[in-house]
Amino acid sequence: QKEVEQDPGPLSVPEGAIVSLNCTYSNSAFQYFMWYRQYSRKGPELLMYTYSSGNKEDGRFTAQVDKSSKYISLFIRDSQPSDSATYLCAMSDDYGQNFVFGPGTRLSVLP
Amino acid sequence: DAGVTQSPTHLIKTRGQQVTLRCSPKSGHDTVSWYQQALGQGPQFIFQYYEEEERQRGNFPDRFSGHQFPNYSSELNVNALLLGDSALYLCASSWTGTEAYGYTFGSGTRLTVV
Repeated sequence: QKEVEQDPGPLSVPEGAIVSLNCTYSNSAFQYFMWYRQYSRKGPELLMYTYSSGNKEDGRFTAQVDKSSKYISLFIRDSQPSDSATYLCAMSDDYGQNFVFGPGTRLSVLP
Repeated sequence: DAGVTQSPTHLIKTRGQQVTLRCSPKSGHDTVSWYQQALGQGPQFIFQYYEEEERQRGNFPDRFSGHQFPNYSSELNVNALLLGDSALYLCASSWTGTEAYGYTFGSGTRLTVV
């Protein structure tokens, strides 16, 4: 079993749709949970991070963490064509010494 | 404020050759981490440098080595290149003690081994 697994893509949705991206993990030591957006030919860009369980909202983006289920999600409301990118979940322990990425989900938002 | 700068942006090498990739960290950052991202995969941790020493290493063979300079810039060297080394190589910089969410990534070097 891989340490971090991410829902298979690619995803293709119409503009304005709600998008749900999900990851599961196996290491209970993870405490920081990040979502990155990566455009083609670019490096990952941090969208949001959450510490431990709970929800966090930033504009059209909401991150949820359920540590009891070892499951994290990113929701994108009113999706836009500019949201078309690869989304990577990532997580680390308290000391940042174990920083692991999921394989990514490629999202296309069609006008 | 310049972010993380990587050079070159693209590189084509032949199997068995050696390659050096370069990274300049974001201003104010003193720690550099290197990642390998194969096509369709997430970044995989190679190693991290702080105070010119390798502080942590991922599951990569000794063919992968690095260096950090007094100005915090860093190099990644790969010897005896294999076809499987073809990937996007990402550099991330941070301030020591920062949690992982504080990393800033460069745009990467795309290495193709033929």
